[in-house]
Amino acid sequence: EPEVTQTPSHQVTQMGQEVILRCVPISNHLYFYWYRQILGQKVEFLVSFYNNEISEKSEIFDDQFSVERPDGSNFTLKIRSTKLEDSAMYFCASILGPLQNIQYFGAGTRLSVL
Amino acid sequence: SQQGEEDPQALSIQEGENATMNCSYKTSINNLQWYRQNSGRGLVHLILIRSNEREKHSGRLRVTLDTSKKSSSLLITASRAADTASYFCATVSPAYSGGGADGLTFGKGTHLIIQP
Repeated sequence: EPEVTQTPSHQVTQMGQEVILRCVPISNHLYFYWYRQILGQKVEFLVSFYNNEISEKSEIFDDQFSVERPDGSNFTLKIRSTKLEDSAMYFCASILGPLQNIQYFGAGTRLSVL
Repeated sequence: SQQGEEDPQALSIQEGENATMNCSYKTSINNLQWYRQNSGRGLVHLILIRSNEREKHSGRLRVTLDTSKKSSSLLITASRAADTASYFCATVSPAYSGGGADGLTFGKGTHLIIQP
């Protein structure tokens, strides 16, 4: 069964460093999402992406964050200057099209900012 | 305000018993979904119920939706040890629907433990 894959599974970085989290959505899906989950808290929506541009973003998604689809398969989340509070699980998700409400999630990347 | 608040926060039952989890939300919705998350893993979609539906079944899962009370419940019948996980409700608001890029709003989840 097709799945969303995320790499790396765990990323450790120093505060102030830039990190790029990578996702390969399901191949024929058109809409892509990033969510984060701080330990012990709820999953929070960050951003959605369609047709090579951001469709919707939350208040969390400030200027430190950016997303990109550099090629036909990858979807990346970049955090320019990481802070301690960016430590969380980051989930990528995708859907086939606008009428498909079910989002398919990857296993996540655990980001640890030291 | 918090959208999608589940209760209880934690639930421990014996294998074979039924587990019921509840979710409340504050704004109007287009649909409500339940997801499962095993420890340290991603979210797996379980079931979706639309705002014009009141009840839906899928295998051992039964979901109800009461839009007047802005609440939903997830019932897992004949629980198994493998059902041990965290369960989240997630909503999509009509304000964003139609664009196809609707971000889900998740609750804090119910951690379900099935004792063998």
